[in-house]
Amino acid sequence: DQQVKQNSPSLSVQEGRISILNCDYTNSMFDYFLWYKKYPAEGPTFLISISSIKDKNEDGRFTVFLNKSAKHLSLHIVPSQPGDSAVYFCATHNAGGTSYGKLTFGQGTILTVHP
Amino acid sequence: DARVTQTPRHKVTEMGQEVTMRCQPILGHNTVFWYRQTMMQGLELLAYFRNRAPLDDSGMPKDRFSAEMPDATLATLKIQPSEPRDSAVYFCASGPRRGGDQNTEAFFGQGTRLTVV
Repeated sequence: DQQVKQNSPSLSVQEGRISILNCDYTNSMFDYFLWYKKYPAEGPTFLISISSIKDKNEDGRFTVFLNKSAKHLSLHIVPSQPGDSAVYFCATHNAGGTSYGKLTFGQGTILTVHP
Repeated sequence: DARVTQTPRHKVTEMGQEVTMRCQPILGHNTVFWYRQTMMQGLELLAYFRNRAPLDDSGMPKDRFSAEMPDATLATLKIQPSEPRDSAVYFCASGPRRGGDQNTEAFFGQGTRLTVV
């Protein structure tokens, strides 16, 4: 039962263009949404997050959009740079019940930015 | 420079052997997670603790895996007996106490790459 889904295993983008990574979730108890970036042989690192009371959060080249009615979030990177090439994971924080505080991750999307 | 420390970084073992992975969470963090990264499942949650108490270990195969926090500075994940299908990268992450509008991100260690032959 995959509660967080990243349906695109990989994405290839030209340097300078926009990268859009997508994530869908099923549980309405999720109250916080996060994106992590992972380079090979390293642990994931936090990138950007958004609370369920907002629909957009921006940090430099990175913007996360949340559509609660569709249970969908996306990460926009513009302009994309070769150093952005990594695996991107979306994650959700569970606000309710016995699973409070649980962080559930998607399967990841491999982003490759070509020079 | 606060960070989550995991040992060992790499482990190769024979099928049937016991494997113990260790994690030192960031000082002051009260939530600890164990994840396993596989090609097919992405980052799969195995177990998590708050204030050293296990909250959810439903992701762990109970017959062979066990997770504990003997004290606030050490979390362990044991596999006994290990099997080739356990080969993966195991990540520990810790998170700060949450209140109000605090962020809830977790901070990851560099992982233990386990190979069971």
